[in-house]
Amino acid sequence: GAVVSQHPSWVICKSGTSVKIECRSLDFQATTMFWYRQFPKQSLMLMATSNEGSKATYEQGVEKDKFLINHASLTLSTLTVTSAHPEDSSFYICSARVEGVGPDTQYFGPGTRLTVL
Amino acid sequence: GDSVTQMEGPVTLSEEAFLTINCTYTATGYPSLFWYVQYPGEGLQLLLKATKADDKGSNKGFEATYRKETTSFHLEKGSVQVSDSAVYFCALSEATGGFKTIFGAGTRLFVKA
Repeated sequence: GAVVSQHPSWVICKSGTSVKIECRSLDFQATTMFWYRQFPKQSLMLMATSNEGSKATYEQGVEKDKFLINHASLTLSTLTVTSAHPEDSSFYICSARVEGVGPDTQYFGPGTRLTVL
Repeated sequence: GDSVTQMEGPVTLSEEAFLTINCTYTATGYPSLFWYVQYPGEGLQLLLKATKADDKGSNKGFEATYRKETTSFHLEKGSVQVSDSAVYFCALSEATGGFKTIFGAGTRLFVKA
């Protein structure tokens, strides 16, 4: 089946630094990728929708200048958490939608755990 | 906007007990419905899905039927195992929403031996 990878799987950084998380579709092309965050013992909240070659669409309440999303190719989307602070510590999960396979086919990455000290 | 409501947990069952996790949804169009499972320390996995009314999704002994009249998609399993202990998320996705997935709050299941 289709595989989505994320890198890194976990990262610890100091407050004020920026962290980049990659999301790759390994064996298919994804025109749309989604970024979610999950706080401990909570549900996944959609942050933004990323379409290849265009600007990401952010959900209400998500700071686009803080969470920079780039979808430069059909197999790669990146999320950069800029000037990270402890409240940004969370589990970030991406998913990739497969065009043409079915209207509902999405594959989720394994997630990236970010801890900001 | 679209939303998913599922029963609060945690749910604690003994092995071989019957499981039901309720899920209802609101949507503007005709969504596809999903159950995802997240095992401790792992990522999200698709458990089953249904794309239209009266469809039944099934996998690993779990079942859920898309009930449009009651806007529900309850998850059931006839005999749970300790290895089923996980968090279960009900979710929907539809074209009018750009296919983004809306998740319920999740229900944590503990199965005792």
